[in-house]
Amino acid sequence: KQEVTQIPAALSVPEGENLVLNCSFTDSAIYNLQWFRQDPGKGLTSLLLIQSSQREQTSGRLNASLDKSSGRSTLYIAASQPGDSATYLCAVNNYGQNFVFGPGTRLSVLP
Amino acid sequence: GAVVSQHPSRVICKSGTSVKIECRSLDFQATTMFWYRQFPKQSLMLMATSNEGSKATYEQGVEKDKFLINHASLTLSTLTVTSAHPEDSSFYICSARDLGLAGSKDTQYFGPGTRLTVL
Repeated sequence: KQEVTQIPAALSVPEGENLVLNCSFTDSAIYNLQWFRQDPGKGLTSLLLIQSSQREQTSGRLNASLDKSSGRSTLYIAASQPGDSATYLCAVNNYGQNFVFGPGTRLSVLP
Repeated sequence: GAVVSQHPSRVICKSGTSVKIECRSLDFQATTMFWYRQFPKQSLMLMATSNEGSKATYEQGVEKDKFLINHASLTLSTLTVTSAHPEDSSFYICSARDLGLAGSKDTQYFGPGTRLTVL
């Protein structure tokens, strides 16, 4: 059974810092991995989707890497801003199956 | 891009009533949709897998007689919470699976969620 963990559970940083969020999964036979952002009381915003054949994806200040063999992914946020404050969720799925979500990392970027 | 809608976005009801939540794929056909729920300060957990034209598959611990799922068309799945109680208060999110033309892709799109509050 696939299990997803995320470290740290919470993170508070001053504005401008670069930061890394970590995600681990137990079954490396994934189809893809996706990073989401969730603001309080809101739905999911998809940030980056990495197919199993890819090593990384980039979008603006965000960069996500995938090491499928070791069951790890990282989300790198450059030059963090207060508007980046949210919960970041990592999720993986096997072909045709549901996504399995991690518990999330709650990020606070202080002005 | 592909869009999945949910209706309603928010519902408040009295204990004992039933609530229906709709999940629609707006520009693609979805033979499979997934229903998740998220309790406060927790992550999303799969409740059930909804397949068009067949019975839904429920995760362990989810009562199929309480959470009725109907996937009667390729663009609509409904989740009915029957005799809702305060402990059913949660954020319910669906996702729809887009296989493209003849299985050329496998992408899932998430709906915006429905917040259910049972008084």
